[in-house]
Amino acid sequence: KAGVTQTPRYLIKTRGQQVTLSCSPISGHRSVSWYQQTPGQGLQFLFEYFSETQRNKGNFPGRFSGRQFSNSRSEMNVSTLELGDSALYLCASKEQGNTEAFFGQGTRLTVV
Amino acid sequence: DQQVKQNSPSLSVQEGRISILNCDYTNSMFDYFLWYKKYPAEGPTFLISISSIKDKNEDGRFTVFLNKSAKHLSLHIVPSQPGDSAVYFCAAVEQNTGFQKLVFGTGTRLLVSP
Repeated sequence: KAGVTQTPRYLIKTRGQQVTLSCSPISGHRSVSWYQQTPGQGLQFLFEYFSETQRNKGNFPGRFSGRQFSNSRSEMNVSTLELGDSALYLCASKEQGNTEAFFGQGTRLTVV
Repeated sequence: DQQVKQNSPSLSVQEGRISILNCDYTNSMFDYFLWYKKYPAEGPTFLISISSIKDKNEDGRFTVFLNKSAKHLSLHIVPSQPGDSAVYFCAAVEQNTGFQKLVFGTGTRLLVSP
């Protein structure tokens, strides 16, 4: 089975722009979660989608949004980028009811 | 408010010795815990987990211990190998949320020297 695929791997954006990150889960996994990793903060939960519905959301401003498509692929969007949004964004997929989440390699976003 | 804490940012151990990574949590609703390992430029990979109904889980060189009364868990790696050098994250979850949300600690960087 192919693993979780995130595109692009690296991205540089300017303050005020918006960005869309993509995640393709492992085949058969319908749950997709997004996390932000910054130095000193560990991994912070952004949101989780299952069957195209957002089931859980972390404590992030409304500039962070996401969606899931019928094939379970997910996108995450950040609007009006701020310097503090520079981080590694990780996507994880898992089977419903299972405990283990499988992570992609992440998208490194740099806001300048 | 950091609900899962890994108070040691780094740990250095010699090859063949035991590595002990610690994790504390504050939320008494957490009832399942996981350890992930992360190499640079890669996503975290699952290592081992433990349910709150147990106090120990073992998988090869890796053992996780849970002390519910102290809200503390630890990961033991015996014997440590240079390939174990990575950042280790402790994560917790409330099972009744369907494992939808993992709460991670800030990570401990383990360096195993030959």
